[in-house]
Amino acid sequence: KAGVTQTPRYLIKTRGQQVTLSCSPISGHRSVSWYQQTPGQGLQFLFEYFSETQRNKGNFPGRFSGRQFSNSRSEMNVSTLELGDSALYLCASSLDPPGRGQETQYFGPGTRLLVL
Amino acid sequence: AQSVSQHNHHVILSEAASLELGCNYSYGGTVNLFWYVQYPGQHLQLLLKYFSGDPLVKGIKGFEAEFIKSKFSFNLRKPSVQWSDTAEYFCAVGQTGTASKLTFGTGTRLQVTL
Repeated sequence: KAGVTQTPRYLIKTRGQQVTLSCSPISGHRSVSWYQQTPGQGLQFLFEYFSETQRNKGNFPGRFSGRQFSNSRSEMNVSTLELGDSALYLCASSLDPPGRGQETQYFGPGTRLLVL
Repeated sequence: AQSVSQHNHHVILSEAASLELGCNYSYGGTVNLFWYVQYPGQHLQLLLKYFSGDPLVKGIKGFEAEFIKSKFSFNLRKPSVQWSDTAEYFCAVGQTGTASKLTFGTGTRLQVTL
């Protein structure tokens, strides 16, 4: 079974631009979560989507948004980029049968974003 | 809000030494506990997990972890490390029901020398 895939793997943008990152979950997985990883803040939860609906949200400004499509693929968007948005953005997927509560997340390789 | 503490930021061990990495969390409810590993240049991989039952869980590559509820701890252990265990190790906690929202510790960088 193929793992979580993320595109692009590397991205360079300038301040003020916007960026869209893509994530394809493991086949059959319906939940997709996004995390930001930086040397200073570590791994921080951005948001989670399940069945095309945002189910959980972390403490990030509204410039960070996402969506999920009917095939469970997900995109996240960052508008008006700031230097501090430079980070590794990780996507994770899980089966997450509703109510079961024993989800295990599997991570993709990440998209490394550099904002100049 | 829940938080996760990993007290060891950088650990250096010789091959064959025993390893114990500390992880403490703050949350009063039922939690799911995970250890992930990130080898150099690779993505996060699940090492082991605890949902319920036997508090001593075994993972891949000879790692194990013990959940001590009274201490809010989930320490990672390995009796004899190998050079290939050099990596960054992350402890993570998810609340039951919202386990897709993980809170991670800051990570422990393990360096194993020959």
